Amino acid sequence: SQQGEEDPQALSIQEGENATMNCSYKTSINNLQWYRQNSGRGLVHLILIRSNEREKHSGRLRVTLDTSKKSSSLLITASRAADTASYFCATDRSNDYKLSFGAGTTVTVRA
Amino acid sequence: EAQVTQNPRYLITVTGKKLTVTCSQNMNHEYMSWYRQDPGLGLRQIYYSMNVEVTDKGDVPEGYKVSRKEKRNFPLILESPSPNQTSLYFCASKDALRDTQYFGPGTRLTVL
Repeated sequence: SQQGEEDPQALSIQEGENATMNCSYKTSINNLQWYRQNSGRGLVHLILIRSNEREKHSGRLRVTLDTSKKSSSLLITASRAADTASYFCATDRSNDYKLSFGAGTTVTVRA
Repeated sequence: EAQVTQNPRYLITVTGKKLTVTCSQNMNHEYMSWYRQDPGLGLRQIYYSMNVEVTDKGDVPEGYKVSRKEKRNFPLILESPSPNQTSLYFCASKDALRDTQYFGPGTRLTVL
């Protein structure tokens, strides 16, 4: 079953703008991860945030985690055309070894 | 170069004809898994393996088999493929220290 759900499903922004997408999940987690997928290709790991962390940065990426609301957000600052991709959140649950993905947010960055 | 490879990358087959999709990783990871990706549904886990000879069902295991006889290989077997198994399949291996997964390039399977 799907654990995470991303919002919005699709996002279109101008180059240089920030892109924000959200992920909600249902059960307790060990960590939450964000992946990027360019059209039809394999997923690439972007960033991981553990359940005891609230915010994490990596380059132009900023991830927040609110375990009380069971939600996370991914912010991409100063977007570039190369950021055009689908972004997935994935939750690593506390009581099993499965990584559960949401349906993803498709981001289009217009030049 | 650290990588996960899958073969074939594309496959068109007919209902009932047994097929195997191979997956190999060169990072000495113990944990490997298979996912299928369908439009609007994201990735769903089919099977996973914690180590050699240790496999378990994911969320959508029906119609699939796996084996893990060596650490580097984790083939996905469709004994009798059906059209509802038409999908994009990804193999992944996990770096246990970093809790991150490395994905293969995908296998696009069409069952007619």
